[in-house]
Amino acid sequence: KAGVTQTPRYLIKTRGQQVTLSCSPISGHRSVSWYQQTPGQGLQFLFEYFSETQRNKGNFPGRFSGRQFSNSRSEMNVSTLELGDSALYLCASRRQGADNEQFFGPGTRLTVL
Amino acid sequence: SQQGEEDPQALSIQEGENATMNCSYKTSINNLQWYRQNSGRGLVHLILIRSNEREKHSGRLRVTLDTSKKSSSLLITASRAADTASYFCATQNSGNTPLVFGKGTRLSVIA
Repeated sequence: KAGVTQTPRYLIKTRGQQVTLSCSPISGHRSVSWYQQTPGQGLQFLFEYFSETQRNKGNFPGRFSGRQFSNSRSEMNVSTLELGDSALYLCASRRQGADNEQFFGPGTRLTVL
Repeated sequence: SQQGEEDPQALSIQEGENATMNCSYKTSINNLQWYRQNSGRGLVHLILIRSNEREKHSGRLRVTLDTSKKSSSLLITASRAADTASYFCATQNSGNTPLVFGKGTRLSVIA
């Protein structure tokens, strides 16, 4: 079974631009979560989508948004990029269930100049 | 915000030794999970322990959970150079709530 895939793997943008990251979950997984990882703040939860609906949301500004499609693929968008948005963005999928493990993709490394 | 706090922040051991990492958390949990991350890559799930469990084993991994102290430990026995990575604990409060990660322990295993 193929793992979680994320595209692109690396991205360089300048302040003020916007960016869209993509995540394809493991087949059959309907939950997709997004995390931001930085050296200073560690792993911070952004949001989770399940069956095309946002189920949980972390404490991030409205510039961060996401969506999920009917095939469970998910995208996240960051508008008006700031230097502090430079991070590794990780996507994770899991099967439906209260305490299932999450399967992570390799991440997208975003650098904002 | 972080729920779990790992201790130590960094650990360096010789190959063949055991490595112990600790995690403390603040609120009641449904389960606690441990993940490994090789440098700058995705996380790999290692083991999940539920709040009504006290100990769990998986290969060379042993996890304990003490809900009265709100703490967990991960023991890696007979460590190998390939175990070099960052290790994170993550807690889930209940139901379909999101995982909350600690800041991790960086383990270096020297051959």
